[in-house]
Amino acid sequence: GDSVTQTEGLVTVTEGLPVKLNCTYQTTYLTIAFFWYVQYLNEAPQVLLKSSTDNKRTEHQGFHATLHKSSSSFHLQKSSAQLSDSALYYCALTNTGKLTFGDGTVLTVKP
Amino acid sequence: GPKVLQIPSHQIIDMGQMVTLNCDPVSNHLYFYWYKQILGQQMEFLVNFYNGKVMEKSKLFKDQFSVERPDGSYFTLKIQPTALEDSAVYFCASSLEGRDTGQLYFGEGSKLTVL
Repeated sequence: GDSVTQTEGLVTVTEGLPVKLNCTYQTTYLTIAFFWYVQYLNEAPQVLLKSSTDNKRTEHQGFHATLHKSSSSFHLQKSSAQLSDSALYYCALTNTGKLTFGDGTVLTVKP
Repeated sequence: GPKVLQIPSHQIIDMGQMVTLNCDPVSNHLYFYWYKQILGQQMEFLVNFYNGKVMEKSKLFKDQFSVERPDGSYFTLKIQPTALEDSAVYFCASSLEGRDTGQLYFGEGSKLTVL
């Protein structure tokens, strides 16, 4: 079956510095889409980024990610972290409409 | 953006009782999902539902679980009887498309505590 791996459970970064959240995957399907979901405290998970195109950079709200099928990765990055970015981030892939989530990474941005 | 509403936000029940979790999906969406998240663990797929039928379910979707959406009303997850291990946050989601690139919209979750 499908699996998504997020190696860091907790990432702490100082405001204004760059941040990278890692995501790798395993799947036997060829046609798939990838997402980064963000979940703020006491809120519903919501889509941050979405991609299904190899080697194409996707950007939203200052975050960006590029799907690399050669390395089975979809890392999330931001050049300058903001305090408001503190949240739980999930990497996920979908086929046939079923999302498979990684374990999630808690990002804490400190002043 | 589109909102998925879940009722109740929190419910506490005794083991063996029945519970129904309600989901009001985005109005024009066609595909509905339930996910389970135990505290400190990842979100796990339970079931997806389309056109009045279960399309796919995981091993977590035990025989005691059932889903329905009668006449376009709430999309419900019923657990009967409940067990201690059913304690978790249950997230409902809906999407317009159910194929490879369908984007899911999630509710805020229903926290179930089974005593």
